[in-house]
Amino acid sequence: NAGVTQTPKFRVLKTGQSMTLLCAQDMNHEYMYWYRQDPGMGLRLIHYSVGEGTTAKGEVPDGYNVSRLKKQNFLLGLESAAPSQTSVYFCASSYTVAGGPDTDTQYFGPGTRLTVL
Amino acid sequence: GQNIDQPTEMTATEGAIVQINCTYQTSGFNGLFWYQQHAGEAPTFLSYNVLDGLEEKGRFSSFLSRSKGYSYLLLKELQMKDSASYLCAPMDSNYQLIWGAGTKLIIKP
Repeated sequence: NAGVTQTPKFRVLKTGQSMTLLCAQDMNHEYMYWYRQDPGMGLRLIHYSVGEGTTAKGEVPDGYNVSRLKKQNFLLGLESAAPSQTSVYFCASSYTVAGGPDTDTQYFGPGTRLTVL
Repeated sequence: GQNIDQPTEMTATEGAIVQINCTYQTSGFNGLFWYQQHAGEAPTFLSYNVLDGLEEKGRFSSFLSRSKGYSYLLLKELQMKDSASYLCAPMDSNYQLIWGAGTKLIIKP
């Protein structure tokens, strides 16, 4: 099993450009999450999904959109990139929630390091 | 609001014991996770507590006091590979993880 994979690993954008980050998991998890991680701050939830075809806003959703057309994939889009979106983006997945550590533990992909100039 | 407080950085010696503290305030509580994150890598799951007390897992143990909003991670017999950041993350009433900024642990020989 590959677990959670993310593409690309690195990307440099110019202000105003758009891009899509792809997350894939092969663990049959229902829940998927997109976080950003900035120096000196905890992981912040951007958007999440509780199942195929569903998405919901997290703590910092502005400037991002997501789609979950297939259970195994969760896409994060930046329509018009801004320097404030320079960050490391992590995708994570969990089987469900409210079931204890066996189901609630989130597994993370390797991250995408994005720089917006 | 929701808040997590952990020391920013700690230093310890190889072979020693270190305790990393975490205090939290969340809207509701559904367990607390500890993750390890090596520099440039993804967080990986270490431990979970939902009831008060100590959970032991090899060299790592985690303690929870729900009434005090307090947890700690105890690392014994420190090895150089334990140099990493340790993230405290309680789960709130919506079953969302609220992440601390992490404690960077530096192990010296």
